Amino acid sequence: DAGITQSPRHKVTETGTPVTLRCHQTENHRYMYWYRQDPGHGLRLIHYSYGVKDTDKGEVSDGYSVSRSKTEDFLLTLESATSSQTSVYFCAISEPTGTDNQPQHFGDGTRLSIL
Amino acid sequence: AQSVTQPDIHITVSEGASLELRCNYSYGATPYLFWYVQSPGQGLQLLLKYFSGDTLVQGIKGFEAEFKRSQSSFNLRKPSVHWSDAAEYFCAVGPNNDMRFGAGTRLTVKP
Repeated sequence: DAGITQSPRHKVTETGTPVTLRCHQTENHRYMYWYRQDPGHGLRLIHYSYGVKDTDKGEVSDGYSVSRSKTEDFLLTLESATSSQTSVYFCAISEPTGTDNQPQHFGDGTRLSIL
Repeated sequence: AQSVTQPDIHITVSEGASLELRCNYSYGATPYLFWYVQSPGQGLQLLLKYFSGDTLVQGIKGFEAEFKRSQSSFNLRKPSVHWSDAAEYFCAVGPNNDMRFGAGTRLTVKP
């Protein structure tokens, strides 16, 4: 299995508090992604990174920020959590080869509940 | 923006029977198409992908998919389903930095 670790795996917090989720990879892949998964919506891209300190927004980036100071770590931050951000969050990684570049390996997810 | 529709929310098949999961996409150019599988409590695993060329693509675990441009479809098939295939299946279209996923089809396998 690809070396992707998400932490924490579960978190319960209150509205208005800051939350940071961590994704750690041991594959040295260039691209890293954060998705959220909600019933009836499949996965939706929040932010992605194409290198250290290189990030860009995805489809549902409002209310989220990211940082990548090292190849292996990609952090997702909810500055002030809202109940609408209750979801399961997945990190994914990929290493492009020509035009072949899609999320190849996913972490096991972080279940976040905001009360 | 591109989008994906998976018309079937839930499908039940008997073990050993054939399987076809439907996927319809909307995309302005030649699409990049993918199928992923998700077992309970786990992340997604890439089953197969289509970029160009042969419209019938083979994937892992005995799955295949056929790209039909005229129907905007990319249906996933397996000739004989095993109990271990029970999972949720997601079709996706995109470039990697704007990939759109369908809502998923949950597959139940009866003994």
